[in-house]
This record gives sequence, structure tokens and C-alpha cells, in this order.
Amino acid sequence: RKEVEQDPGPFNVPEGATVAFNCTYSNSASQSFFWYRQDCRKEPKLLMSVYSSGNEDGRFTAQLNRASQYISLLIRDSKLSDSATYLCVVKRDTGRRALTFGSGTRLQVQP
Amino acid sequence: GAVVSQHPSRVICKSGTSVKIECRSLDFQATTMFWYRQFPKQSLMLMATSNEGSKATYEQGVEKDKFLINHASLTLSTLTVTSAHPEDSSFYICSASRGQGRRELFFGEGSRLTVL
Repeated sequence: RKEVEQDPGPFNVPEGATVAFNCTYSNSASQSFFWYRQDCRKEPKLLMSVYSSGNEDGRFTAQLNRASQYISLLIRDSKLSDSATYLCVVKRDTGRRALTFGSGTRLQVQP
Repeated sequence: GAVVSQHPSRVICKSGTSVKIECRSLDFQATTMFWYRQFPKQSLMLMATSNEGSKATYEQGVEKDKFLINHASLTLSTLTVTSAHPEDSSFYICSASRGQGRRELFFGEGSRLTVL
């Protein structure tokens, strides 16, 4: 079983739509959680961290459920520029310091 | 602007040759850098953790004699793919973190290696 699992998509949505991505992680020792965005053939870039209380950044809302080991990302009012692959990322704060990436969910926002 | 720079961004080489990729932290010192590899439509997979002044730590299944990592200074780590083969063709990305606490990892721009 992969340590971080995501629905690969693609999610094809019209502009203005609301779309939600889900992610599950298997290692309960994971302590930090992030959503990264990766454009085609580019490096990943941090979109937002995910906190237990849930957090919002403009049109983006992230939620974490530690009991279910589940993370979500909600994008409201989708823009064409939101088209990208969204990577769910977890990190253990002790021991191994590297990030573990999900395989990503591809989003295509259509006009 | 970029805080981690990677070079070259693209390289094409013949099978059997060696290729060196550089990763630099631009305005901070990074005692640890990470090297990832990404095949098409797959997630980033950690290859190794590069530690300044000491040996790199390799992930299971990654050949340390094939992927040589040198982290000779606090701002530079290099990955050398030795005797490259077509199956080594991939997107190689380095990353480094700065600051304490909940750290964001900054990524280099990536290096796309094509082995003919």
C-alpha cells in the first residue's frame, strides 16, 4: 500500500466550479501535511500547509482528519490557471525529514 | 525568486556516459538537501538525502554507486548519474529547507535527463 494515496483524476471542471480532492495517508507518525501544486514539467510549489483545525487561503480550503488519516483540498470558483496536478504531501517531524508525495490529482479547468 | 537553483535544466547524453546535476541553495545554508526522481505521470520518489560533510543516505532500491551524491559545501549538492542508461531518463529534482519548525521545502527547477 502506498504511504500517500490520491485519486489520479483527471478532474475536468468548468470555470467557476467547486472541486474537492481527497488524500489518505497510512503512516500515523506523519505530523505535517501539505498540498503542493505541480505544473507540467515543472517543480512542485507549495500551495498551502494543512492544519488540524482546517485552514483557508483565498479560494482554497484544506482540511485534516487525523483519526481517519485523511486530507482534503477544496477549490472554489475554479480558474483556468488552477489547471495543474495537486500533490498531497506528508512529513514525519522526527527521523526522516524528507517529504512523501502522493502521485497527484490532475485538474483541468475548462472555459 | 528562486531560492534553490538546479543546473542543467535539460541534458541529453549517450548511454554509458556520466551526467552531473548541481543543486544550490541561493540565499541560505542547507545542511541537508534531498534528491527526488519523477517518472512520467508518477509521484516524486525520494532517492537520497544529501548531508553536508558526510555520506548521503540512500533510499531502498537506489544504487549508491550509480547515483553519486556529493555535498561538499552548505550551499551545493551534486548528483552524478554514472554510466547512464535509457531507463535512467527521468526528471530529477532537488530540494532544501531553511528555517526552523514547520519547514517548507523549496525545490529546484528540476533537471530532465534523456539518455539515448
